[in-house]
Amino acid sequence: DGGITQSPKYLFRKEGQNVTLSCEQNLNHDAMYWYRQDPGQGLRLIYYSQIVNDFQKGDIAEGYSVSREKKESFPLTVTSAQKNPTAFYLCASAGQPYEQYFGPGTRLTVT
Amino acid sequence: KQEVTQIPAALSVPEGENLVLNCSFTDSAIYNLQWFRQDPGKGLTSLLLIQSSQREQTSGRLNASLDKSSGRSTLYIAASQPGDSATYLCAVSSNQAGTALIFGKGTTLSVSS
Repeated sequence: DGGITQSPKYLFRKEGQNVTLSCEQNLNHDAMYWYRQDPGQGLRLIYYSQIVNDFQKGDIAEGYSVSREKKESFPLTVTSAQKNPTAFYLCASAGQPYEQYFGPGTRLTVT
Repeated sequence: KQEVTQIPAALSVPEGENLVLNCSFTDSAIYNLQWFRQDPGKGLTSLLLIQSSQREQTSGRLNASLDKSSGRSTLYIAASQPGDSATYLCAVSSNQAGTALIFGKGTTLSVSS
């Protein structure tokens, strides 16, 4: 089956700890994206990557970091510098004509 | 800065009714417009993609239209069913930011049997 996988589905961390969210796709898409969803706010762009070894900040990149060493993988690290990390995180990928496909999401809770 | 607005925020209809969800955007220089469905606690499912050169797309009981000049899109759902109950999200992309999407806040649809 082709698609996007995110793991884990639920993640709990203590304040001050860094945590890495996994995103893998087997759709052979060049572009990948990370969004954050908060109640009542809609989805907002954190980082995006259009090609391996290249990525760009989105609207709310502060406190987050990413890497894109392989076409299939685009992990997101939530650092201790992120002030409000509790949220639902969604990964997406796109090929031509840039129709985006989303993974099932990771719900991160930081206490 | 592009802004996307969806009206209404919530909608309740009886089964079998035809309905229209509205989406408006402030900058007409878009690359694509996508409609998604999201069930509670789940990821997004792509319903329809309309490229900037297109006026509408259809999939089964769904029809989406795009009027770039007026900054509007509508999603028409025919003969609604209880299984259509979900949040519907509209999103647009531009040639900037790697064609990342800018989302509206969604319309939550409830279809009663």
